[in-house]
Amino acid sequence: AQTVTQSQPEMSVQEAETVTLSCTYDTSENNYYLFWYKQPPSRQMILVIRQEAYKQQNATENRFSVNFQKAAKSFSLKISDSQLGDTAMYFCAFMNPTNAGKSTFGDGTTLTVKP
Amino acid sequence: KAGVTQTPRYLIKTRGQQVTLSCSPISGHRSVSWYQQTPGQGLQFLFEYFSETQRNKGNFPGRFSGRQFSNSRSEMNVSTLELGDSALYLCASSLDGTRTDTQYFGPGTRLTVL
Repeated sequence: AQTVTQSQPEMSVQEAETVTLSCTYDTSENNYYLFWYKQPPSRQMILVIRQEAYKQQNATENRFSVNFQKAAKSFSLKISDSQLGDTAMYFCAFMNPTNAGKSTFGDGTTLTVKP
Repeated sequence: KAGVTQTPRYLIKTRGQQVTLSCSPISGHRSVSWYQQTPGQGLQFLFEYFSETQRNKGNFPGRFSGRQFSNSRSEMNVSTLELGDSALYLCASSLDGTRTDTQYFGPGTRLTVL
């Protein structure tokens, strides 16, 4: 079974600075997908960024980028130029393409952006 | 396109009762997954439906069940509610749940069991 670990329950960052959230996972699969989701307080969970394991190039989406280290089974999220609206809980998730519709989530990291 | 919708948004029940939650996926999406989110257990996968068939199931007791209709709308039912069933129930839809898909989440139904 796959597991996802987020070792930082809470983090904070000053507005406009850069922060990195950590995620490690365990799997015996070679082909899989990794995601970072954002869940603002009392609001809907939305996808931040996605990475296919067969792609060596790290995914980027505007201010969000990942550092994907397949051998180390590490998938960290970097948020550049942090904004107040980035305050949220961030979840790292794993999907095995042979396990349709099922994502395995980490416990989440609560990120607070301070003005 | 309208996003994933869930009804009701909030629900209060007492132990022993049963409850039905509804999820309408994004138009054109045929896969619907359900998750339970609690502070202690995080996000746990319940089950996934595709074309009216349960295709994948998590490790929850038989009190948790679901179904999907021909228009891809899905319901989940919890019978004989327990205090520990209090949680945010999220549904997520995707085109067909395959590796090329991204899951889009609804706002959730907050269930409180008294």
